[in-house]
Amino acid sequence: DTEVTQTPKHLVMGMTNKKSLKCEQHMGHRAMYWYKQKAKKPPELMFVYSYEKLSINESVPSRFSPECPNSSLLNLHLHALQPEDSALYLCASSQPLTDSQETQYFGPGTRLLVL
Amino acid sequence: GQSLEQPSEVTAVEGAIVQMNCTYQTSGFYGLSWYQQHDGGAPTFLSYNALDGLEETGRFSSFLSRSDSYGYLLLQELQMKDSASYFCAVLTHNNDMRFGAGTRLTVKP
Repeated sequence: DTEVTQTPKHLVMGMTNKKSLKCEQHMGHRAMYWYKQKAKKPPELMFVYSYEKLSINESVPSRFSPECPNSSLLNLHLHALQPEDSALYLCASSQPLTDSQETQYFGPGTRLLVL
Repeated sequence: GQSLEQPSEVTAVEGAIVQMNCTYQTSGFYGLSWYQQHDGGAPTFLSYNALDGLEETGRFSSFLSRSDSYGYLLLQELQMKDSASYFCAVLTHNNDMRFGAGTRLTVKP
């Protein structure tokens, strides 16, 4: 099983809403990632969790709050977003480098629209 | 800091061979990955190089020269379905991965 799943596939929210994006993998990977991708742009790294601990936080605004409840799950909590936050949000997983696995597997993404 | 450069667009015909280049500047370099992304889809892993040389996977090959901070992705026997964006991505020692801006490949009949 080389699948990363993400829910929901699409999300429309107002600027005052609170919502969460969810990501799950069952490949035994111990590193999980959130990326943001705008149209015709490359994915931009937001957060990295390694062994359920936040290891990289790319100066993302506090209206994005990541959470890693266990080694298989990754959440991204959204609150008071702005229209410019509309994008495709991608989750990925891999083994941490110390375990010599470099391939990142991406989920299908959540397409977010903020009104 | 880190920077990666890729040509923005490449056009080729079915059955041809195309090479897409990537140059990078980074500290803590660990390896170079290549991803394919079709419009509306998620990136899918194609190839990875940590050491100098050529890695071959079917119609796809990837090359790395660490001393030149340069790599390329080679696609052979091009098919229409290969039309997509191709990203190189640098992996660093702290699990950080940064993507280039991507090359948009258009395959014509």
